[in-house]
Amino acid sequence: EAQVTQNPRYLITVTGKKLTVTCSQNMNHEYMSWYRQDPGLGLRQIYYSMNVEVTDKGDVPEGYKVSRKEKRNFPLILESPSPNQTSLYFCASSSITGELFFGEGSRLTVL
Amino acid sequence: GNSVTQMEGPVTLSEEAFLTINCTYTATGYPSLFWYVQYPGEGLQLLLKATKADDKGSNKGFEATYRKETTSFHLEKGSVQVSDSAVYFCALSARAGGTSYGKLTFGQGTILTVHP
Repeated sequence: EAQVTQNPRYLITVTGKKLTVTCSQNMNHEYMSWYRQDPGLGLRQIYYSMNVEVTDKGDVPEGYKVSRKEKRNFPLILESPSPNQTSLYFCASSSITGELFFGEGSRLTVL
Repeated sequence: GNSVTQMEGPVTLSEEAFLTINCTYTATGYPSLFWYVQYPGEGLQLLLKATKADDKGSNKGFEATYRKETTSFHLEKGSVQVSDSAVYFCALSARAGGTSYGKLTFGQGTILTVHP
């Protein structure tokens, strides 16, 4: 089954404690991206990757890092989380048609 | 830059009512347009899409027509069901760097609740 898998689905952490949200896709897509969803703001792109070792900033990259060492994986790293990063995060991969396939989301709370 | 504006919600309807969710966009060039749906506790799923002017996307009874002259892509359904209750996002994808991959720019989402 074609899917995008994120982990963890839910996480509560404290300010400054580094965390990583993993993302893996099994569709051999080259393009992957991370979005955050906040009420009234829709989804905003954090980072994207066009291929292995090729990443670039989206609209709201501050406070986040990513890496793309393998085609299937695209982890999101919060080096020093802050409360304003409390959000619902989605990983997505894209086919050549531009259609995005989303993971189920990771709800992060930073205290 | 690119932007998508959706009608403000939430929208509350009775079962079998007619649904319209307005979506207008601003973009350079010729974007592709999408509607995504998010059911409670789930990620977004593609509902329908249109890649050029006058195209009509349709799926599960939902329709939307790409209107370049009015820069709109309104979502419609003739008779909604309780199971249609979800958040609906309009989005556009503008070609970047000459590739087929496009970053999606999303509207803010419209919450739809359908009562029996």
